[in-house]
Amino acid sequence: GAGVSQSPRYKVAKRGQDVALRCDPISGHVSLFWYQQALGQGPEFLTYFQNEAQLDKSGLPSDRFFAERPEGSVSTLKIQRTQQEDSAVYLCASSLDPRAGGTDTQYFGPGTRLTVL
Amino acid sequence: QQQVKQSPQSLIVQKGGISIINCAYENTAFDYFPWYQQFPGKGPALLIAIRPDVSEKKEGRFTISFNKSAKQFSLHIMDSQPGDSATYFCAASVGQKVTFGIGTKLQVIP
Repeated sequence: GAGVSQSPRYKVAKRGQDVALRCDPISGHVSLFWYQQALGQGPEFLTYFQNEAQLDKSGLPSDRFFAERPEGSVSTLKIQRTQQEDSAVYLCASSLDPRAGGTDTQYFGPGTRLTVL
Repeated sequence: QQQVKQSPQSLIVQKGGISIINCAYENTAFDYFPWYQQFPGKGPALLIAIRPDVSEKKEGRFTISFNKSAKQFSLHIMDSQPGDSATYFCAASVGQKVTFGIGTKLQVIP
């Protein structure tokens, strides 16, 4: 079946612009995660949804970052007034069963590479 | 604060050799330790994982060794192949939150 898809794959924004990044998780996956991966670094946790509920947003770096998953499927990560330090790859992952806790395999999408000029 | 420390950051191994990547963690609440493999332009993919009550886990050519008292764990890739060339991340999780290491870029040369 189809994996996690993300769009756009590449996004160039001028400093101060707002951007919206989309994630389509694997069908039926309850949990959805957003990560930020800076160049040469490992992914860093941003936020986590279980269905439509945002259960953890402790990794969001500022109030310019906002994520939603209104119907418990597709999710959007929005960044307002982008800054150069926001340049990174934004990864989305989904997993099937939150009852498995952290042992439930997370399946990652290919990411959206955001460049802020 | 880097909660999961990974080394080396880059590694060159000859085909057929053993690749070894080491990680250390601070938070004793971590209860699951996955390793991910990432190819350029792709998202990370789970390779192998271990729980802290097990000292070793082997899947094919990939082995995780885990030392709970030292808070260290490592990935061994036996008979390394050019197709193994990728970036490898160790990680540790508590609940749903996964913390990744900085990554090791492995190059296997023929």
